[in-house]
Amino acid sequence: AQSVTQLDSQVPVFEEAPVELRCNYSSSVSVYLFWYVQYPNQGLQLLLKYLSGSTLVKGINGFEAEFNKSQTSFHLRKPSVHISDTAEYFCAVRQGAQKLVFGQGTRLTINP
Amino acid sequence: EPEVTQTPSHQVTQMGQEVILRCVPISNHLYFYWYRQILGQKVEFLVSFYNNEISEKSEIFDDQFSVERPDGSNFTLKIRSTKLEDSAMYFCASSGGDRGLYEQYFGPGTRLTVT
Repeated sequence: AQSVTQLDSQVPVFEEAPVELRCNYSSSVSVYLFWYVQYPNQGLQLLLKYLSGSTLVKGINGFEAEFNKSQTSFHLRKPSVHISDTAEYFCAVRQGAQKLVFGQGTRLTINP
Repeated sequence: EPEVTQTPSHQVTQMGQEVILRCVPISNHLYFYWYRQILGQKVEFLVSFYNNEISEKSEIFDDQFSVERPDGSNFTLKIRSTKLEDSAMYFCASSGGDRGLYEQYFGPGTRLTVT
């Protein structure tokens, strides 16, 4: 069974600073990876996905992630964060036909 | 932009009562899902539904749970006899159609509180 580990439960950063949220997955023959964001009191919104092709994927709100097969990682990055990026971020991997397996989540807090 | 909707946003029920959570997936999506998130824990898969039948379910999805697509637009999750440990946020999701099979779009969730 696939599993996802998000190494940091909380990440505080200052506004306009860069940020990286880490995600590692258990290896598999082929892997589809996702990052979702959950703003306070809202549902999960798809930020970006890796299905195949270029290992650097760009998503909404200036976020990007890099798929690294040798390190089984899919870290999320943003070069300059904004207060509005304060949210919980979830990494997920597809397992089987349709099921998503989520990591524990990383709470990103932006300080002014 | 089309989105997944869920009702109610918050449901309070007594232990042992039946509860039905409702979802309207994105139209023309073909796959439907329920996930739950117990406070402070991971989002967990419950069940997927395709072509009017369950395609996959987790060990959490026992005989107390059932899903239905009663009218071609709604997708429901029923818990027959709620337990305290069923208290969680329940998310509906859908995928397929012209947005691609692998992108699951989530609703805002229903917070279920069992007292």
